[in-house]
This record gives sequence, structure tokens and C-alpha cells, in this order.
Amino acid sequence: DGGITQSPKYLFRKEGQNVTLSCEQNLNHDAMYWYRQDPGQGLRLIYYSQIVNDFQKGDIAEGYSVSREKKESFPLTVTSAQKNPTAFYLCASSLTGQTNTGELFFGEGSRLTVL
Amino acid sequence: GQQLNQSPQSMFIQEGEDVSMNCTSSSIFNTWLWYKQDPGEGPVLLIALYKAGELTSNGRLTAQFGITRKDSFLNISASIPSDVGIYFCAGRRYGGSQGNLIFGKGTKLSVKP
Repeated sequence: DGGITQSPKYLFRKEGQNVTLSCEQNLNHDAMYWYRQDPGQGLRLIYYSQIVNDFQKGDIAEGYSVSREKKESFPLTVTSAQKNPTAFYLCASSLTGQTNTGELFFGEGSRLTVL
Repeated sequence: GQQLNQSPQSMFIQEGEDVSMNCTSSSIFNTWLWYKQDPGEGPVLLIALYKAGELTSNGRLTAQFGITRKDSFLNISASIPSDVGIYFCAGRRYGGSQGNLIFGKGTKLSVKP
């Protein structure tokens, strides 16, 4: 089945540790995104990538890093520089260019808790 | 970053009642999307709107793209327990970049059997 797979579903981290969240899609979408969700908040964009080997900062990129070495994969690293990393992280993908309908397709999310 | 004004923030209704929620913005949008998020899951697209005045239905759900292009509403008729969740609106402005999809803060719907 086509879709977006995020892993792990739950992750616990000690303060000062970097962690990497995985996001893989087999929808053949060019664009991929990472959002952060906090209780009672909307989705805030961390990073996005429209093409392999290129990505742009979103609204809250500080303390995060990404890579886009393959079309299918867009991992997010939450670094120790992120002051408040406990949150629910959502990966999404979409078409681009003339075929872009504006619709994002989301993964099931990864919940990160810093102990 | 800018966020849409989505209301109400939460609703607690009786099964069988109709539900209405809306999003407004000071900016003109060319796309409105409505998503539903179940607890601990990612949002799922319910309805997409691309034209001012457009009215689209998906089962018991109906959404409209406001004629001013600055608002949208979602109605759910005859609610059932599985309608429980958080509903998000999202919009993209004219000339918006690929990353420029703006989300509302969500409407949390609780349905009492």
C-alpha cells in the first residue's frame, strides 16, 4: 500500500542527546515536510524539501536538522540545541509543480518525550 | 508564522446533532483543506476546496470556500461517536510557496452517545 511511514512511534530521550526520526514515503511525491504539534496548537512547520538534496527552513527550524539524500526519505534530527523537544512530530508529503493540488498526506506521527 | 483563526476551539455535543466550525484569515487563500486527526494519529484529509464559493460534500461532511476567499466552514450532519477527534483547517495563500500551507489550531470535537 502507498503511504508515509514514520518511525519510531514513541521515543524517549535524555536531555543532551540527539535523536533522529525516520520518514519514508512510497507515493512518489517530490515534496516532504516535517511539522511539530503541541497540545492545543496547530501544526508548525519545521523544515520542508521540494527536491532531493535541497531543503528549506520552516517557521521553527532552530534545534532541528534534516537531510534529503533520497526522494523517498526525509529524516529529522532533533538536536540537543532544541530547548523544548517534547512534542508530537508529523511528516508529510505532496506533489509539486503543475500536479500540485496543495494536499498534504501525513504519516502517523512520532511522539518524542525528553526525560 | 501566521495562523488561521479557527473556531470554536472545542465542542461537546450529543450524538445526532449537527456540527459547524469555521476558519478565517486576513489573507486571501487559493486553497482550503480540512483534515481530521484521531488521537495519536496523523491528520487525514477530508475535503479540499480550490475555488471561491465552492461547496463540496463528503458523506455527512460539507465544506465551503468563502466567496471573499478569506474563510471556510465545515459542517458535519447527524454526528456519530466516531466523529470524535480534532478537525484542522489549512489554507494556502495566492503566490504561496510550497511550504506555505497555514494551519488553524484545530477544533476538538467530543460526541456524547
